[in-house]
Amino acid sequence: DVKVTQSSRYLVKRTGEKVFLECVQDMDHENMFWYRQDPGLGLRLIYFSYDVKMKEKGDIPEGYSVSREKKERFSLILESASTNQTSMYLCASPKASGGLTDTQYFGPGTRLTVL
Amino acid sequence: QKEVEQNSGPLSVPEGAIASLNCTYSDRGSQSFFWYRQYSGKSPELIMFIYSNGDKEDGRFTAQLNKASQYVSLLIRDSQPSDSATYLCAVTNFGNEKLTFGTGTRLTIIP
Repeated sequence: DVKVTQSSRYLVKRTGEKVFLECVQDMDHENMFWYRQDPGLGLRLIYFSYDVKMKEKGDIPEGYSVSREKKERFSLILESASTNQTSMYLCASPKASGGLTDTQYFGPGTRLTVL
Repeated sequence: QKEVEQNSGPLSVPEGAIASLNCTYSDRGSQSFFWYRQYSGKSPELIMFIYSNGDKEDGRFTAQLNKASQYVSLLIRDSQPSDSATYLCAVTNFGNEKLTFGTGTRLTIIP
């Protein structure tokens, strides 16, 4: 059974703290994604990675960075957490078949609250 | 104009009836179309995907795609209370793994 796991289900941090959100997939997929989900705004892409040490900005990268040192692990970093980064963070890894994505597997999500 | 648009709802449907969820998209280059179901507090789970114009059926679910009208829909037959959730439409382009999501439609099945 395919699995995408995230390091925490709930996280509470203070403004200005450096925050690490970890995502691990056991499917040997090359692609990994970080989204945030907010009421009324849907899922928005923060960063994605096509391979180890490769990263590309998504639609809302400001205030975030990422790290992909190993194929199975993709980390999202909030360099200095702010209250407007309070959100649900979802990691995903798609399975691609012949250039067409057929299944994108999501992790369980991390509910981050920044006080 | 949003790239992927859905009616946010809530959409209320009696148990046993057909629920119809709609989605429009703006990028004519979109190739793949997905419907995800998301229960409150949970992550999205894939229900169906469709690439070609027409209908695709899987159990009680039918996805319909009309690329000329840039329209994709999801029909749920014999709606059950367990179908109550938010349904997310997502699209992507050929060879591009990036999904663009709509904001979702909240569906409530009334017993």
